[in-house]
Amino acid sequence: DIVMTQSPDSLALSLGERATINCKSSQSVFYSSNNKNYLSWYQQKPGQPPRLLIYWASTRESGVPDRFSGSGSGTDFTLTISSLQAEDVAVYYCQQYSTTPLTFGGGTKVEIK
Amino acid sequence: QLQLQESGPGLIKPSETLSLTCTVSGDFISNPDVYWAWLRQPPGQGLEWIGTIYFRGNTFYNPSLKSRVTISADTSKNHFSLTLSAVTAADTSIYYCARHHMGGGTSWYLGWFDPWGQGIRVTVSS
Repeated sequence: DIVMTQSPDSLALSLGERATINCKSSQSVFYSSNNKNYLSWYQQKPGQPPRLLIYWASTRESGVPDRFSGSGSGTDFTLTISSLQAEDVAVYYCQQYSTTPLTFGGGTKVEIK
Repeated sequence: QLQLQESGPGLIKPSETLSLTCTVSGDFISNPDVYWAWLRQPPGQGLEWIGTIYFRGNTFYNPSLKSRVTISADTSKNHFSLTLSAVTAADTSIYYCARHHMGGGTSWYLGWFDPWGQGIRVTVSS
């Protein structure tokens, strides 16, 4: 199984600050055949199901604010919130879909300081 | 707008078989471009993919649960179902159903999950 490791476990920032969440896979999720990274990001607010934010490591889902961006390749990926808003308080998860079983990172909790 | 709704028991006894149903509205589970999935999340913990089904009956399961899991689809009712046998306290979770994006052609893949149902909390306890 591909193990997805997120860091940090949690972070507390002031409104307007940049949030950076890291996700590392135990093996590459990049396929050179189509030049794509098989990696997605989700946001889960308290009491809600996860919401898809990003797929193919950097493609923003329709309706997702542009302050959310994804980057990285191979085994190391980053979700960035450029200017933290109150509504961004949530747990964020990465997920690989390179191979089955599909696996998720352990989550990063984002709070307002 | 696609919506998914889980239904089933909220409490089940150890060793029993859990049965959940996901009713889909706003799309047909027979849509040839879509797969459908079950996932779960133990209290306060992360997410686990359970398995995925295509309307023709093709299924993909997480090996960690494969011996106990069956996912089936009923196109006449536009719903798909999960059965999990021999449950233990470790199966206590919120269970979610979701549309599972897939890609076809030479680069076939099972991809991301979107959207998700609201989830159903299932407790395994005597």
